[in-house]
Amino acid sequence: AQTVTQSQPEMSVQEAETVTLSCTYDTSENNYYLFWYKQPPSRQMILVIRQEAYKQQNATENRFSVNFQKAAKSFSLKISDSQLGDTAMYFCAFMKKTGANNLFFGTGTRLTVIP
Amino acid sequence: GAGVSQSPSNKVTEKGKDVELRCDPISGHTALYWYRQSLGQGLEFLIYFQGNSAPDKSGLPSDRFSAERTGGSVSTLTIQRTQQEDSAVYLCASSLRDAANYGYTFGSGTRLTVV
Repeated sequence: AQTVTQSQPEMSVQEAETVTLSCTYDTSENNYYLFWYKQPPSRQMILVIRQEAYKQQNATENRFSVNFQKAAKSFSLKISDSQLGDTAMYFCAFMKKTGANNLFFGTGTRLTVIP
Repeated sequence: GAGVSQSPSNKVTEKGKDVELRCDPISGHTALYWYRQSLGQGLEFLIYFQGNSAPDKSGLPSDRFSAERTGGSVSTLTIQRTQQEDSAVYLCASSLRDAANYGYTFGSGTRLTVV
């Protein structure tokens, strides 16, 4: 079974500062994908960034980057130059490479960007 | 359509009544997923469709829950004899066959309240 743990229920950051959201996971799979999703008040889940487990290079999307530590089963999200529009729930998620492509989610971190 | 459409957006029902939640995926997306998001929780996988067939029904919480998909398009999630613990946001997502590479697109969900 796959489990995803987000140990920070809530975080806040000053506008323009940097914040890191933590995520750890447990799996016996060797090939898999990891994701960070953002859920604003509109409820729609929006993909922020994606990492393939077999790639050692950390994924980056503009102001968003990850620190993927496969041996430690850790997948943290760094948001640089935080903007007010980054205020949302952030979910870490795991997907096996084979079989049904359903996602296993953590319980989320509520991020508030303070002006 | 341009996105995944879910209806109704909000539904209040009395305990014991049946409800139907609808999901219109993106045209051409062969895979369709249902998730449940309870207050303060992450997303819980319910069921997955590839075309009209559901190879993975393992997440359905009880036999009161059922889902179908017709014409490889619209899906309906039915909850019979609703209970208060069924209150949650029900999210639908669709993807091309290879969800890991192409990602999911989520709808904005149906908020179900059982009173």
